Amino acid sequence: DAKTTQPPSMDCAEGRAANLPCNHSTISGNEYVYWYRQIHSQGPQYIIHGLKNNETNEMASLIITEDRKSSTLILPHATLRDTAVYYCIVRAVYNFNKFYFGSGTKLNVKP
Amino acid sequence: EAGVAQSPRYKIIEKRQSVAFWCNPISGHATLYWYQQILGQGPKLLIQFQNNGVVDDSQLPKDRFSAERLKGVDSTLKIQPAKLEDSAVYLCASSLELAGTQYFGPGTRLLVL
Repeated sequence: DAKTTQPPSMDCAEGRAANLPCNHSTISGNEYVYWYRQIHSQGPQYIIHGLKNNETNEMASLIITEDRKSSTLILPHATLRDTAVYYCIVRAVYNFNKFYFGSGTKLNVKP
Repeated sequence: EAGVAQSPRYKIIEKRQSVAFWCNPISGHATLYWYQQILGQGPKLLIQFQNNGVVDDSQLPKDRFSAERLKGVDSTLKIQPAKLEDSAVYLCASSLELAGTQYFGPGTRLLVL
């Protein structure tokens, strides 16, 4: 059911920016892109979401391409505590708010 | 603001036994979700409530799983009888409204022996 494609794992050096890509080539006009992360043994944590425009909050930035077929989550200064599985999710506005989680990207932040 | 609460955090049972999980959503959140997360996979939605009514339970194995949210606040998820393949983390989430951002609890880790 998942409609997104993410690399299974990525490495990032502590203090550097982490750029996590997501492909959602079949996204439709009324579907949002959400990002969550899951630190080991915890529930998923909301990070950010967007529809068309780029978004930024205190945790991250979300860059959505003009054709909306892909997006990138940017953690500007990764720390060891950012090591987690990151999920990119496409949510239809009118589909009962269903979230389809794929397998996500395991981000390993290394000292 | 208190987050989504779940209990117990861990449960070990033998196959064919029954088990129940409890969830208390964020105050004022009308929509409540139960997910199952098998090791190495992303969460999968089991059932979704809007207040005390079921919105979607298409992925709930109804022969053994049941859930209720009688007063539109707390919810319980029950498995009876449990199978080995039910070993997973059961996550509860809530959102302010049907189209709102979902916030997750810490989950209940179930091991069926």
